[in-house]
Amino acid sequence: EVQLLESGGGLVEPGGSLRLSCAASGVTFNNYAMSWVRQTPGKGLEWVSAISGSGGRIYYADSVKGRFTVSRDNSKSALFLQMSSLRAEDTAIYYCAKAKRTDCTNGVCYTSNLYPFDYWGQGTLVTVSS
Amino acid sequence: QSALTQPASVSGSPGQSITISCTGTSGDVGGYNYVSWYQQDPGKAPKLMIYDVNNRPSGVSNRFSGSKSGNTASLTISGLQAEDEADYYCSSFTSSNTVLFGGGTKLTVL
Repeated sequence: EVQLLESGGGLVEPGGSLRLSCAASGVTFNNYAMSWVRQTPGKGLEWVSAISGSGGRIYYADSVKGRFTVSRDNSKSALFLQMSSLRAEDTAIYYCAKAKRTDCTNGVCYTSNLYPFDYWGQGTLVTVSS
Repeated sequence: QSALTQPASVSGSPGQSITISCTGTSGDVGGYNYVSWYQQDPGKAPKLMIYDVNNRPSGVSNRFSGSKSGNTASLTISGLQAEDEADYYCSSFTSSNTVLFGGGTKLTVL
């Protein structure tokens, strides 16, 4: 069974940095794109970033572009999100999520295969406050 | 990009059918058959219920169905049950190679 486990959340001051991790198991990790999705407490979902299975294609929401960096270590089945210049509005539960379809088929890779998300972690809370 | 538009709340009685709408633009919902729906119980992670407009993942009840017309997608739940009470979010791939979510709809089973 696929399991995703996030860690690294916590309290950080505005302007600070934090690195989130997501450990995956039960899946051939490098075959699938992974995403970070966040949810403000009591509010809706917001997609943050996606990275292809190889790590060669990376996408960000406009709200975090230039401040957040997504990466992955396929040898360790791990996904990361380096967050810097944090703002109060970045306060949220951060989920890692796995794409349902394999990244590439017969050597052809489709950006749309970054999505949808069939497995989610339990989330890690990031609070940006002084 | 703005979030997709969903009603804040819908309600129905057990056994009835309800429909939740999700309106976007030609750059997302209307331009691709990559609309998904997620169910979220309080304090839990979202669960994929419908993908590619009208496909159900293995294990999801056939009481859940999806459709799309133009820039608006819909989720229909038939034979409403108490366990269906949850928040529901639509989502779409976009022309900017990003993903948009709707604001969420709270379903109340009366």
